[in-house]
Amino acid sequence: NAGVTQNPKFQVLKTGQSMTLQCAQDMNHNSMYWYRQDPGMGLRLIYYSASEGTTDKGEVPNGYNVSRLNKREFSLRLESAAPSQTSVYFCASRRLRQGASPEQYFGPGTRLTVT
Amino acid sequence: AQTVTQSQPEMSVQEAETVTLSCTYDTSESDYYLFWYKQPPSRQMILVIRQEAYKQQNATENRFSVNFQKAAKSFSLKISDSQLGDAAMYFCAYRSPALSGGGADGLTFGKGTHLIIQP
Repeated sequence: NAGVTQNPKFQVLKTGQSMTLQCAQDMNHNSMYWYRQDPGMGLRLIYYSASEGTTDKGEVPNGYNVSRLNKREFSLRLESAAPSQTSVYFCASRRLRQGASPEQYFGPGTRLTVT
Repeated sequence: AQTVTQSQPEMSVQEAETVTLSCTYDTSESDYYLFWYKQPPSRQMILVIRQEAYKQQNATENRFSVNFQKAAKSFSLKISDSQLGDAAMYFCAYRSPALSGGGADGLTFGKGTHLIIQP
């Protein structure tokens, strides 16, 4: 099992460019999440997907869109990148089932720089 | 909304010694989960230990243990026999008990404590 994978690992964008961050998990988890981590801060929730076909906003959703493509994949899109979106982005997943472990499993992160 | 506070931006400990990292949280819920995650320079978020609020017994995982004080809303992490590989950022996180998923299911993190291990 690869767990949670993210692509790319690093990306540099110019202001106004768009891009999609990819995330996939092979653990048959129901819920998937996107977080961002800024210097001196913990992770903050951008968007989540409780199950295939559903998505909802987290704490900091402005400037982002998401797509739950299927049970395995959850992508994050920046339509018009801004320097304030320079951050490290983490994808996570969790199994939703009575008695399942409550923790989330994280991908390795994507470091995004917007110039 | 829940908040998580880690009041120690940085801690330093001698190798083989014991160190305690502090975490407090604010919530109106009676049932929830608490976690400690480790983030080494590789950036990977690694689960260290978890605690279910309904359990009175403090969780332990090898050299890692917690002191969970529900009434005080405190959740500290004790690392015994510190090793060089323990050097990392440590994040305390809170999660509501929602089984159906959704925003209540997302983690709320503290700002982290940078742990330095002195050889």
